[in-house]
Amino acid sequence: KAGVTQTPRYLIKTRGQQVTLSCSPISGHRSVSWYQQTPGQGLQFLFEYFSETQRNKGNFPGRFSGRQFSNSRSEMNVSTLELGDSALYLCASSLGLPGQRETQYFGPGTRLLVL
Amino acid sequence: AQSVTQLDSQVPVFEEAPVELRCNYSSSVSVYLFWYVQYPNQGLQLLLKYLSGSTLVKGINGFEAEFNKSQTSFHLRKPSVHISDTAEYFCAGWGRRFQKLVFGTGTRLLVSP
Repeated sequence: KAGVTQTPRYLIKTRGQQVTLSCSPISGHRSVSWYQQTPGQGLQFLFEYFSETQRNKGNFPGRFSGRQFSNSRSEMNVSTLELGDSALYLCASSLGLPGQRETQYFGPGTRLLVL
Repeated sequence: AQSVTQLDSQVPVFEEAPVELRCNYSSSVSVYLFWYVQYPNQGLQLLLKYLSGSTLVKGINGFEAEFNKSQTSFHLRKPSVHISDTAEYFCAGWGRRFQKLVFGTGTRLLVSP
């Protein structure tokens, strides 16, 4: 079974621009979560989507948004980029059974550099 | 606050020596615990998990972890490390309140010949 895939793997943007990152979960997984990883803050939860609905959200400004499609693929968008948004963005998928504490499987990440 | 604490930011060790990476969790984290490994420029790979049952959990690449409820710990061990085990290791648990994975700050394992 193919793992979680993320595109693009690397991205360079300038301040003020916006960016869209894509994640394809493992086949059959319906939940997709996004995380931001930085040296200073470590791994921080952004949001989780299940069946095209945001099910959970971390403490990030509204510039960070996401969505999920009917095939469970997910995108996250960051508008008005700031230097501090430079990070590795990780996507994780799980079966998504409500109320279950499931195992999350991670993709390779998208490394975003904001200049 | 929901927390998972990894007590060592960096652990240097010689090849073929045993290693233990320490992880403690608070009461705000449920006892569904995980260890992930991150190799340079890669995502996180699941090493092992504890959901219930036997307190000794075996994972991939020869790693194992022991769940200790009285000490609220979930330490990761390997009896003999290889150069290829050099990576960052993350302990994680499910937060009770916000139902999301809570990660520790990571431990960098440095294996030298």
